[in-house]
Amino acid sequence: KNEVEQSPQNLTAQEGEFITINCSYSVGISALHWLQQHPGGGIVSLFMLSSGKKKHGRLIATINIQEKHSSLHITASHPRDSAVYICAPRWGGGADGLTFGKGTHLIIQP
Amino acid sequence: DGGITQSPKYLFRKEGQNVTLSCEQNLNHDAMYWYRQDPGQGLRLIYYSQIVNDFQKGDIAEGYSVSREKKESFPLTVTSAQKNPTAFYLCASTPKVTGGLSNQPQHFGDGTRLSIL
Repeated sequence: KNEVEQSPQNLTAQEGEFITINCSYSVGISALHWLQQHPGGGIVSLFMLSSGKKKHGRLIATINIQEKHSSLHITASHPRDSAVYICAPRWGGGADGLTFGKGTHLIIQP
Repeated sequence: DGGITQSPKYLFRKEGQNVTLSCEQNLNHDAMYWYRQDPGQGLRLIYYSQIVNDFQKGDIAEGYSVSREKKESFPLTVTSAQKNPTAFYLCASTPKVTGGLSNQPQHFGDGTRLSIL
């Protein structure tokens, strides 16, 4: 079973700061998802990537398959970015091949 | 707009009672999933279904049951056999599964928070 470690667990920053959230996993994967969970509990899929880098607005996700590591970056952070960010590597086919990290609780203060 | 609707948002269960959580999607997705989320833990898979009238157990299926009579609907029943049902439950779906692989972004509902009275 894939072990997933996210860091930091909690992060408080000031508006405008550059944010980095890290995810490490223990076995080879086919893809990795980054999810955003809002304070109310709903979850939105931000990225799915299997190599390199993806960018959407102020969000950037990178992955290094050899090092078994992915990062999520937020540029020019804003209070509306406050949420829990969850990393979910997919290590095999089928629904049971998806492992979820415990999440990083991000608070952006005005 | 297409999406996943979970209801109710909050649910309370008495001891020895079965309760059913609703999950409906109008995305025309083939695969649907139920996850449980506990404080400080990652999501854990309870059950999933790739086609109508078929479903498989996930990591923590004991004390739960599901049905998939329609493509749009995947209700989860929390039975009295589930001794620690207090948790946040999330339903998700993905588009058509090809060759058994479901390497697709998942769409999630807003969740149901279940508590014991």
